[in-house]
Amino acid sequence: GNSVTQMEGPVTLSEEAFLTINCTYTATGYPSLFWYVQYPGEGLQLLLKATKADDKGSNKGFEATYRKETTSFHLEKGSVQVSDSAVYFCALTPESGGYQKVTFGTGTKLQVIP
Amino acid sequence: GAVVSQHPSWVICKSGTSVKIECRSLDFQATTMFWYRQFPKQSLMLMATSNEGSKATYEQGVEKDKFLINHASLTLSTLTVTSAHPEDSSFYICGVDTNTEAFFGQGTRLTVV
Repeated sequence: GNSVTQMEGPVTLSEEAFLTINCTYTATGYPSLFWYVQYPGEGLQLLLKATKADDKGSNKGFEATYRKETTSFHLEKGSVQVSDSAVYFCALTPESGGYQKVTFGTGTKLQVIP
Repeated sequence: GAVVSQHPSWVICKSGTSVKIECRSLDFQATTMFWYRQFPKQSLMLMATSNEGSKATYEQGVEKDKFLINHASLTLSTLTVTSAHPEDSSFYICGVDTNTEAFFGQGTRLTVV
C-alpha cells in the first residue's frame, strides 16, 4: 500500500535558519504530493502541492520538489520565522485521485526560537 | 476553499461512556466528509468516509459499531465513540473533500480515563 515517511521531530531552529524536513513516499505510479501545516489550535492547511514529477510546489517561502527518482518531496525554507512554528505533514493521494484517500506521514513539529 | 470546524477541540471522558465529535463544513456543501485518527508517533490514518444521506464506508480494522458516523446533512458529520476505553485515546480529525482539495478541521484530542 501507499506510505509516507518523514523525519521525526521536534525540530528546533533559530530564527532565520535554513529548514529542511525530509519526506519520502511509497506508491505506485505518479501520486500527487502535498505538505500540510497545522498551527497551534487550528486545522490542517494545505501549504503546497505537486502533481507530477519535477514539479516544484511553493508557498509562503516554502518549497518542495517532486523527485520521482528518489521518491522524495523534501520541504525547505531558506529563512524560518517564529511564526512558522507548527506541525508539518507530508502526504500523498494516489494517481487515481480521491482526496479522501490522503495518506499522511507522522508529522514533524517545528519550533523556531527568536 | 472550505472552512471546516470541529468540536470539541479536546475532551476527557470516563471509560465506558460515549463521546460525540462534530465536524461542520461552514461554507461548502460537503457530500463527502472523512475521519482520521492519529496515535502518538504514528501517521494520521483514515478511519472512514462518510457520505451525506448514506452509510459511512469504514476502513479495514475500524469497528463500525464502535465508531458511529452520521452524515445527515451537507454541513455536518458526527463521529460517536461508543463505550470508550483508554485505548481509544487519540487525536481525531475530520476533513471535507471538495473534489479539488481536502480541507480539515482542527482536530479533537480524546482522552479516556
